[in-house]
Amino acid sequence: AQSVTQPDIHITVSEGASLELRCNYSYGATPYLFWYVQSPGQGLQLLLKYFSGDTLVQGIKGFEAEFKRSQSSFNLRKPSVHWSDAAEYFCAVRNQAGTALIFGKGTTLSVSS
Amino acid sequence: DTAVSQTPKYLVTQMGNDKSIKCEQNLGHDTMYWYKQDSKKFLKIMFSYNNKELIINETVPNRFSPKSPDKAHLNLHINSLELGDSAVYFCASSQTQGGKTQYFGPGTRLLVL
Repeated sequence: AQSVTQPDIHITVSEGASLELRCNYSYGATPYLFWYVQSPGQGLQLLLKYFSGDTLVQGIKGFEAEFKRSQSSFNLRKPSVHWSDAAEYFCAVRNQAGTALIFGKGTTLSVSS
Repeated sequence: DTAVSQTPKYLVTQMGNDKSIKCEQNLGHDTMYWYKQDSKKFLKIMFSYNNKELIINETVPNRFSPKSPDKAHLNLHINSLELGDSAVYFCASSQTQGGKTQYFGPGTRLLVL
């Protein structure tokens, strides 16, 4: 069955430091992959997506992610974290039928000053 | 202009009551979804509608009944509310049934007392 794993439940990063959030997926074919962010009490905002082509994708708010087929990973990165980046981050893969998203359990990012 | 909107944003009610949550999208999309986010922030698909037709009905109790009066609206009616129904319910839409990107509403936070 398809699944998404986000190994880190909670990460704390100092403001200005770099960030990497891990995401691993299980899927037979080329996956459609997404990162969403949920700020406290807010909805889900799409950060970036990967469908095909260049394996390094750029998103909003200075985020990028790299698709690595050999590692079944789609890790999210940001070179310099801002306090406003504190939020819940969800990795997701479109299911095989193309009818829904399968989400990971999320990673909570805290930013310390 | 809000792309996907939900009402109400917050809903507090007693066990046994019946309640509805409304969702509207102004993106011209054909497909709409309901996801449930539980207390551990895990997101899971509940229903999917394409052009007013039910596509996905995951293992959701019969007390939950989605209704799509037109392709811009997907409402969720819940009968005989239980404590375990407390969650955040997200509506989403995509351009087509196999549409790659889903856009989410702000969520409805339901608390059953």
